[in-house]
This record gives sequence, structure tokens and C-alpha cells, in this order.
Amino acid sequence: GQQLNQSPQSMFIQEGEDVSMNCTSSSIFNTWLWYKQDPGEGPVLLIALYKAGELTSNGRLTAQFGITRKDSFLNISASIPSDVGIYFCAGQSGTYKYIFGTGTRLKVLA
Amino acid sequence: DAGVIQSPRHEVTEMGQEVTLRCKPISGHDYLFWYRQTMMRGLELLIYFNNNVPIDDSGMPEDRFSAKMPNASFSTLKIQPSEPRDSAVYFCASSLWVGNQPQHFGDGTRLSIL
Repeated sequence: GQQLNQSPQSMFIQEGEDVSMNCTSSSIFNTWLWYKQDPGEGPVLLIALYKAGELTSNGRLTAQFGITRKDSFLNISASIPSDVGIYFCAGQSGTYKYIFGTGTRLKVLA
Repeated sequence: DAGVIQSPRHEVTEMGQEVTLRCKPISGHDYLFWYRQTMMRGLELLIYFNNNVPIDDSGMPEDRFSAKMPNASFSTLKIQPSEPRDSAVYFCASSLWVGNQPQHFGDGTRLSIL
């Protein structure tokens, strides 16, 4: 099925570093979501974005709804070991379906 | 509040056997979604229900797959007969209403068909 392009696919970072990842699409979306999935568990919602240009924070996480409505960004500041996991973006364009990104696998080195 | 509850968490069975996955959505949620996750294809929407009625099953791979929602608090996804290529993690998710409401996921069922 259709998927969003997420980058990077994976990344190793040192504890304490900031992390940036993004999600791009050829389609315009009205809503962007960011999820985190830990091993053996389901995706957990981190941040929801509903308006172009919107910038929303959740603790050390900050996400932005791109002004073109075709992309979104997630930043994690001062990473810690428990940030390890797979981060997914999901976009919705007005229908019932959310299209999910391919995921960014994050590994934090202590 | 209890989240989306799925059972079993793991299922290992032989090819040709019937497999039934179960889901209890969050109470009060009107929509229920079944997804399949694999390394190759990521998260794929299989089917979704609104008020217990199947709305779109275009993601269901083939006739071997079927899903039901007999009431607002229970849904099943059945595979009969199962094949090795059905091996994946199957997630159930629910949401309050479609539009732009986020979906809340269960912890999934890891299915292995031998």
C-alpha cells in the first residue's frame, strides 16, 4: 500500500544528543501524527498536528506540520537510552485512512 | 483507562490451520481498525469498522481473511486456511471518530505460520 517516506531509516546517536527525523509525501495532508513503537508493543501516539505550520511539543519531543502540508518533522532533544525504538509518522488527507511512514529506527548509545 | 486489548499476544500454528485473532477496542470508540505489520511492507490497513459495520475491506489480502465485529466491544480477524506468508504482527486500533482523530493501537498479535 501507499507509504510515506521517512528519513533517516535508522540512526545511532550518543546519549544527550539531539535527534531530527522527517517525513515527506507527494500528497497534501490535513493531519500528521507521530508514533513510537517499542519492541513487542504497539505504536504509541506521541504528538498530533492539525494545522500547517503548527509546532507542538511533548516533553523533549517537538514536532512540526510543514507549511507545504507535504511534510512533517520530529525532533528529540537531549536523547536518553529509553528513546530507543521505531518512530512512525502518519498522515491523513481527509478520508478515513492514515498512511503510515516506513519508520525511523533510533538507537541511543549510552 | 484500559487501552486496546488484543489476544493472543503470540500464536504459532501450522500451515492450513484456522487462526482467530481477537480485539477489544477502547470503550466508547466508534471505529476499529485491523493492521498488519511486516518488515517488507510496514503497517498496512486491512479493514475498518464504524459502529460495528465493516466500511472498507479493500486491504484484506484475499478471501482467506475475514473480520467481524459482533458488538461494540469485540472484533475478530480470522485466517482460514493460514499460510506461511501470513506470518506478521497484526494490530488492532480504535478511535473516537474518523476525521482527524488519532488511532490508539493494541500491543499486537505476533503470528507465525510454520
